[in-house]
Amino acid sequence: DSGVTQTPKHLITATGQRVTLRCSPRSGDLSVYWYQQSLDQGLQFLIHYYNGEERAKGNILERFSAQQFPDLHSELNLSSLELGDSALYFCASSVAAGDYGYTFGSGTRLTVV
Amino acid sequence: GESVGLHLPTLSVQEGDNSIINCAYSNSASDYFIWYKQESGKGPQFIIDIRSNMDKRQGQRVTVLLNKTVKHLSLQIAATQPGDSAVYFCAENAGNMLTFGGGTRLMVKP
Repeated sequence: DSGVTQTPKHLITATGQRVTLRCSPRSGDLSVYWYQQSLDQGLQFLIHYYNGEERAKGNILERFSAQQFPDLHSELNLSSLELGDSALYFCASSVAAGDYGYTFGSGTRLTVV
Repeated sequence: GESVGLHLPTLSVQEGDNSIINCAYSNSASDYFIWYKQESGKGPQFIIDIRSNMDKRQGQRVTVLLNKTVKHLSLQIAATQPGDSAVYFCAENAGNMLTFGGGTRLMVKP
């Protein structure tokens, strides 16, 4: 157990729907990062939050949004889902923005049918 | 934009042999590099890191080498075991986030 908790582990939904992925960072970590991993692909950075504030955005679609709450957990919202959104979504946390070590959760596997 | 890349997508080695996984990076401003291991169905797991002021760092059965002149990073695994079978990613930090390479799949033959 890495200490980073992601729920749900698996999610199957239809095109056009909206889903919310949840991440609880490791205790004491203020930074949360979201990554997308498509089949046999590397990890694509989506967005970074530090202590409730957005710090950096990667190649995140406009249909996707995220937030970090006062208790530091984060949610990634995916809307108007398309088949191509099927992927593993990972959350990682670290102590501070710019802190070098990331701890990853076990991911949420999203399947859009 | 600048990115991290890998030379070999798949590496097959005999159990007990040494493995070398390579990575090229292009951002000369990167000052920190990490190797992650990802087993099937799991999230990436930290293996070893190295800062740009070093050229070699050793861990348990793993060594990371950094050649800043040619912007090259390698991961050496000694006495490779079946449990080492996984996808290995290099990552670089040139700011507030890690940029990952495409990954190399290591297959260990018994």
